[in-house]
Amino acid sequence: GNSVTQMEGPVTLSEEAFLTINCTYTATGYPSLFWYVQYPGEGLQLLLKATKADDKGSNKGFEATYRKETTSFHLEKGSVQVSDSAVYFCALSDQVEGNEKLTFGTGTRLTIIP
Amino acid sequence: GAVVSQHPSWVICKSGTSVKIECRSLDFQATTMFWYRQFPKQSLMLMATSNEGSKATYEQGVEKDKFLINHASLTLSTLTVTSAHPEDSSFYICSARSSGRAYEQYFGPGTRLTVT
Repeated sequence: GNSVTQMEGPVTLSEEAFLTINCTYTATGYPSLFWYVQYPGEGLQLLLKATKADDKGSNKGFEATYRKETTSFHLEKGSVQVSDSAVYFCALSDQVEGNEKLTFGTGTRLTIIP
Repeated sequence: GAVVSQHPSWVICKSGTSVKIECRSLDFQATTMFWYRQFPKQSLMLMATSNEGSKATYEQGVEKDKFLINHASLTLSTLTVTSAHPEDSSFYICSARSSGRAYEQYFGPGTRLTVT
């Protein structure tokens, strides 16, 4: 079956530090890959996505590249801000047989300190 | 755009009672809605998928008689937890998908259920 493994948190960084949150996946077909962000007291929001190998998703300074050879979709940001403090979820949606279910990783809590 | 609301945001109920949680798509028509359960420090677990006007499809291990899902319109789905017990205490999240965007789901803010 499908699964997503992401690095455990919590992760604490200073403002302007470089961020990497690792995510690897296992899927039977050709999944789309996503990063969702959950700010305190809010629902999950789509941060970025990539639908095929070598695609790069980007938004709000965050980037992630769909690496089929390493089955990875690591999230990166060059200079984090306090406002980036949130929980980040890596997820996949398997496209085989039109399966639209999202499979989530366990989430990584990120705290940015001034 | 693409806002999903949930009501209530939190609820406390006594063991043995039932509680209903509403999920609404405010500015789009949701042909499919999903219900998730999130345990502390754990991921979201899909409970069921519902399409407007048809019966929900439950994931393996989810009791359909306990977690009643109704998707009566293109903007509203409800989850009713029947005969609630303390182990049903959790964070319940819904998401909605419009027909025009196959793999993008829009999430509600969640409902915290505490059963005493």
